[in-house]
Amino acid sequence: AQTVTQSQPEMSVQEAETVTLSCTYDTSESDYYLFWYKQPPSRQMILVIRQEAYKQQNATENRFSVNFQKAAKSFSLKISDSQLGDAAMYFCAYRTLDNYGQNFVFGPGTRLSVLP
Amino acid sequence: EAQVTQNPRYLITVTGKKLTVTCSQNMNHEYMSWYRQDPGLGLRQIYYSMNVEVTDKGDVPEGYKVSRKEKRNFPLILESPSPNQTSLYFCASSSMGDSYSNQPQHFGDGTRLSIL
Repeated sequence: AQTVTQSQPEMSVQEAETVTLSCTYDTSESDYYLFWYKQPPSRQMILVIRQEAYKQQNATENRFSVNFQKAAKSFSLKISDSQLGDAAMYFCAYRTLDNYGQNFVFGPGTRLSVLP
Repeated sequence: EAQVTQNPRYLITVTGKKLTVTCSQNMNHEYMSWYRQDPGLGLRQIYYSMNVEVTDKGDVPEGYKVSRKEKRNFPLILESPSPNQTSLYFCASSSMGDSYSNQPQHFGDGTRLSIL
């Protein structure tokens, strides 16, 4: 079974600075998808960015980008020019291609604080 | 507006009193699932459904039941709730189209359950 690890339970960043959240996963599959979700205090789960494992190019979405290292099974999220609204819990998630098995596997989360 | 609707958003109840958390989606999604979120553990899957009348266990199914009689609805049933089921619960849905694994899940706003 796949597992997802986020080794940083909490992190903080100064407003306008850059922060990187780490995520590692364990899988025997060669094709899969990876996601970062943001959960603000409102409890909503908001998709931040996604990465297809077969693509070598790292995904980017405005101020959010990932560093995907397939061999190392690492999928870190970089937030540039941090804003107060980025303060949230961030979850890394793995999605199998198996249509007949379980779906998403989530990491334990990293709580990000943004300091003014 | 595309959405996943959960009810209730908050519920405090007592041990042993049967309860149902409803979940409804308006996107005609085939796939629906239930998660519980606990501090330090992230989201763990309880049950999922690939389509009407097709359900299967996730990682933590004990003490829960689900049904999928209609495509849009996927209620979570706690027949005899216990305090260890106090948690934040999320329902989610996604399409199982051609790009199955790339479909992000749409989440409801969560249900905070407290079992006394």
